[in-house]
Amino acid sequence: QVQLVESGGGVVQPGRSLRLSCAASRFNFRSYGMHWVRQAPGKGLEWVAVIWYDGSNKYYADSVKGRFSISRDNSKNTVWLQMNSLRAEDTAVYFCVRDHNGAFDYWGQGSLVTVSS
Amino acid sequence: QSALTQPPSVSGSPGQSVTISCTGTSSDVGSYNRVSWYQQPPGTAPKLMIYEVTNRPSGVPDRFSGSKSGNMASLTISGLQTEDEADYYCSLYTSDTAHVLFGGGTKLTVL
Repeated sequence: QVQLVESGGGVVQPGRSLRLSCAASRFNFRSYGMHWVRQAPGKGLEWVAVIWYDGSNKYYADSVKGRFSISRDNSKNTVWLQMNSLRAEDTAVYFCVRDHNGAFDYWGQGSLVTVSS
Repeated sequence: QSALTQPPSVSGSPGQSVTISCTGTSSDVGSYNRVSWYQQPPGTAPKLMIYEVTNRPSGVPDRFSGSKSGNMASLTISGLQTEDEADYYCSLYTSDTAHVLFGGGTKLTVL
């Protein structure tokens, strides 16, 4: 069964940085695009970013563009989300998700990021 | 692009059918067919229920079906069961911008 395991969440002060990792296993990682999706406490889902299967293209939601960066290493079966200049409104559970023709077919368990002074 | 519009809540009794709508515009839902639906019980990660408007992943019961007409997509759940109680989200992948829009979510209560 496909596994996606996020790590790196925690409490961080506004303006600081944090990097999330997602370790993928039990599928051919280098063949799939990967996304990050977040969910603020008690709120709905919000798409954050996507990276193509080979890393050639990356796209971001307007709310994080210029502050967040998505990357991957296919030799390590890992995708990252570098989050800079964090704001209180970035507080959320961040899910690592596998792409399936524009749908999200497998989700990690999520990693909680809390931005607070 | 704005989020897609879903009703905040719907309800039904066991055995009944319910339909959850997902409304967009001619620029998003009306122009693309990569509409997906997700089920999220409390405290869990979402689960893909429908992709590309009408397709069910392996393991999803055929009680769940999707459709689209114009600027509105719909998820219909027939033969409601208590375990269907959850939040449901629609999403749309727009291939020209490679962005994804989500609906605000609908809470399904099985009475």
